[in-house]
Amino acid sequence: DAGVIQSPRHEVTEMGQEVTLRCKPISGHNSLFWYRQTMMRGLELLIYFNNNVPIDDSGMPEDRFSAKMPNASFSTLKIQPSEPRDSAVYFCASSSEQNQPQHFGDGTRLSIL
Amino acid sequence: KQEVTQIPAALSVPEGENLVLNCSFTDSAIYNLQWFRQDPGKGLTSLLLIQSSQREQTSGRLNASLDKSSGRSTLYIAASQPGDSATYLCAVIKGFQKLVFGTGTRLLVSP
Repeated sequence: DAGVIQSPRHEVTEMGQEVTLRCKPISGHNSLFWYRQTMMRGLELLIYFNNNVPIDDSGMPEDRFSAKMPNASFSTLKIQPSEPRDSAVYFCASSSEQNQPQHFGDGTRLSIL
Repeated sequence: KQEVTQIPAALSVPEGENLVLNCSFTDSAIYNLQWFRQDPGKGLTSLLLIQSSQREQTSGRLNASLDKSSGRSTLYIAASQPGDSATYLCAVIKGFQKLVFGTGTRLLVSP
């Protein structure tokens, strides 16, 4: 079975550019999560969706960040405009229901110059 | 605010040793607790999920326990191997699958 698929694996871009990260959850999973990992703050939940609906976006750091889930098999996390402090590894995860484990993708390593 | 702490931050052991990783959390009102491992440059791999009604879970050489009243969980690794070298993260789940991660323990098992 295919796991959670994220793209791109690496992204290097200049400050001010728009960045779009993509995620395909495991088929049949109805919850999707976006996380950010940095050395300073560890792993933090940014936003999560249940049945394609955003449930909690309190972890989204600023209005420059937005996330969408247009259907059950695809989600995007967008940063516009990007800043150097957004540099981090961004993970997407999915799960099937409340008492089931979350499964993570391999992440997108984002570097903003 | 829920805080999750893992001790030790780093651990280096020779192959074959049994070891214990600790996880403590400040708010005992949790649903579940999940243990992960993370290899360098990789995502997280789920190891064990302990539901709030359970006290422990086992998978192969791994055993995780949960004591909600004291706000503690331990991950026991038996007969450690070099392939166990990774960062181990615990995460508490409080409401709607919202994971709050610990600080991690970096484990190195030398041959």
